[in-house]
Amino acid sequence: DGGITQSPKYLFRKEGQNVTLSCEQNLNHDAMYWYRQDPGQGLRLIYYSQIVNDFQKGDIAEGYSVSREKKESFPLTVTSAQKNPTAFYLCASSIQVSGELFFGEGSRLTVL
Amino acid sequence: GENVEQHPSTLSVQEGDSAVIKCTYSDSASNYFPWYKQELGKRPQLIIDIRSNVGEKKDQRIAVTLNKTAKHFSLHITETQPEDSAVYFCAASIRTGGGADGLTFGKGTHLIIQP
Repeated sequence: DGGITQSPKYLFRKEGQNVTLSCEQNLNHDAMYWYRQDPGQGLRLIYYSQIVNDFQKGDIAEGYSVSREKKESFPLTVTSAQKNPTAFYLCASSIQVSGELFFGEGSRLTVL
Repeated sequence: GENVEQHPSTLSVQEGDSAVIKCTYSDSASNYFPWYKQELGKRPQLIIDIRSNVGEKKDQRIAVTLNKTAKHFSLHITETQPEDSAVYFCAASIRTGGGADGLTFGKGTHLIIQP
C-alpha cells in the first residue's frame, strides 16, 4: 500500500527537549516537504528537499533541522530553539517539485 | 514574498446549494493555483488546480476560476453534499512550473454543509 507514513501520531515533550518526527514514503518521489499547521494559519513550509543529501529552508525554518540521507526518509527535528513548537506537523512528497503534494496523516506535538 | 488571502474563514450552506470560496494573491508572477481539501482528522488532498494560461477548469461538481488581472481565483462547488464538509485551502506558486517549494497557502475555509 503506497503512501506517506508519519510517526508518531501524537507526541508530548517537556520544554527544552529536542524531538524528532519521522516521515517515510514508498511512492518513489524525489521531493519531500515539512509543513506546520496551526489553527487558522494555513500550511507554512518549514523545510523541503528535492534530492537525497540536499535540502532547503522554507519560510519558518528557525528552530528546526532535517536530514535526507535516503530517498524514502525525511525526518524533522524540532529543537529547543523553536520558541513555540506545539503544533500539527505535516510531511508531504511530490514526484517533482512542481507536482501534486501527497500528505501524510500528520504528527501532533505538544510541549508541556 | 507572496501573500494569499482567503475568504470566508467559515462558510455554512444548505445541502444542495452552491458554495464559493475566494482567494487573492499579491505576486503577479504566480502561475499555479491548487486547492486542497482537508476533512476532519485527515490529510489534505488536492481536489483541483489551475495554471495561469487558462481562466477556468471544471471537474464534475467543482470548478476553479482565475482572474489574472485582478489577481484572484475562486473555488465553486455546486449541489453540495454532506461529504463536502471540510477545510479548503487555496495556494499560489511563484515558481516556474508551479513548484511546491514556492507555494503559499491561504489560511483555510471551513465549509459546513447543513442538512
